Amino acid sequence: SQQGEEDPQALSIQEGENATMNCSYKTSINNLQWYRQNSGRGLVHLILIRSNEREKHSGRLRVTLDTSKKSSSLLITASRAADTASYFCATDAGANNLFFGTGTRLTVIP
Amino acid sequence: DSGVTQTPKHLITATGQRVTLRCSPRSGDLSVYWYQQSLDQGLQFLIQYYNGEERAKGNILERFSAQQFPDLHSELNLSSLELGDSALYFCASSVGPSSGNTIYFGEGSWLTVV
Repeated sequence: SQQGEEDPQALSIQEGENATMNCSYKTSINNLQWYRQNSGRGLVHLILIRSNEREKHSGRLRVTLDTSKKSSSLLITASRAADTASYFCATDAGANNLFFGTGTRLTVIP
Repeated sequence: DSGVTQTPKHLITATGQRVTLRCSPRSGDLSVYWYQQSLDQGLQFLIQYYNGEERAKGNILERFSAQQFPDLHSELNLSSLELGDSALYFCASSVGPSSGNTIYFGEGSWLTVV
């Protein structure tokens, strides 16, 4: 299966703290993307990092990619209660068909 | 609001029945994707269309079929439904099929098979 795995499965932090979630995948990729899903809602695209990039920033988000280890991490800095959601990594091997990880459920406590 | 519209939002149906899920992509998007999200299988890619043509298949069961019409809307047909088909079905769209084009997801159609 191309599906990745995310770690931890669940994360609970205080507002203002940083949240880090990790993703491992199995196959070669063109890019890796992170999505957010509020409970039972649609997925929202957060950030894309290409296979030749090592780090990318967008606002309070920082993504790293290590293709040699087939892993990525998403850091959310200065978390807010509104960041409470599930976060998924998704890999694209080149056809723009995304294969999603298992997700990390983040809870930010006010 | 992603601009991708899915109907119905919720439906409950019995085993053995057939349902059709409908999707209107974002204005200007030519690629449509269908995904299934269930508790045991997670988020799975089912099928991709581009400008009316099937482009890629994922883990789509033979009981399921889809198509994209000339006006670019898409339908996912699920037949001979089983309890295990209960899931959230997402439609998504992008400008084109090229790798890296942002994919926008609809809010999903909740299917419950009883």
